[in-house]
Amino acid sequence: EDQVTQSPEALRLQEGESSSLNCSYTVSGLRGLFWYRQDPGKGPEFLFTLYSAGEEKEKERLKATLTKKESFLHITAPKPEDSATYLCAVWGTSGSRLTFGEGTQLTVNP
Amino acid sequence: DTGVSQDPRHKITKRGQNVTFRCDPISEHNRLYWYRQTLGQGPEFLTYFQNEAQLEKSRLLSDRFSAERPKGSFSTLEIQRTEQGDSAMYLCASSFAGVGEKLFFGSGTQLSVL
Repeated sequence: EDQVTQSPEALRLQEGESSSLNCSYTVSGLRGLFWYRQDPGKGPEFLFTLYSAGEEKEKERLKATLTKKESFLHITAPKPEDSATYLCAVWGTSGSRLTFGEGTQLTVNP
Repeated sequence: DTGVSQDPRHKITKRGQNVTFRCDPISEHNRLYWYRQTLGQGPEFLTYFQNEAQLEKSRLLSDRFSAERPKGSFSTLEIQRTEQGDSAMYLCASSFAGVGEKLFFGSGTQLSVL
């Protein structure tokens, strides 16, 4: 069974203070690792898909990286509008669905 | 692109009542998923359809839950004899098979069972 563990559960940063979120996974065969952003009362919003170890993707202040066991979401010089819950999910060879972690709740203070 | 829409946004019901939620996926998407999310947790898979066929259901899904997708378009999720433990956000997502499992989510239906 596919499993995803995210850490930390919650993270508070000052505006401009860079940091990283971790996603560790166990999957029978990785077909893709996904990062989503979720704002309160809304559905998750797609950010990135990574398919193989060593792959990196960037979008504005966010950069996602992937190894064979984990993924990192690096946030550079965050702004208050980056405050949200960030979800990691894996797509394995055992099925056609995503398995999500519990998320990291990020708060960026001005 | 109107995105994935869900109706209603909020539902309050009494324990023991039946409820039904509707999801309209992105029109060209052939896969439709239902997830459930409780506060502080990630979305939990319930079931998914490819066109009108229900291809997978979670082992954890109670037989009080049933989903349909007639004609491969919109979908409904019904919960019979609701329990307080059913209180959660019910999320619908859609995707196009063959381009990876990039899911587009709706805003969800928040169910409160009193």
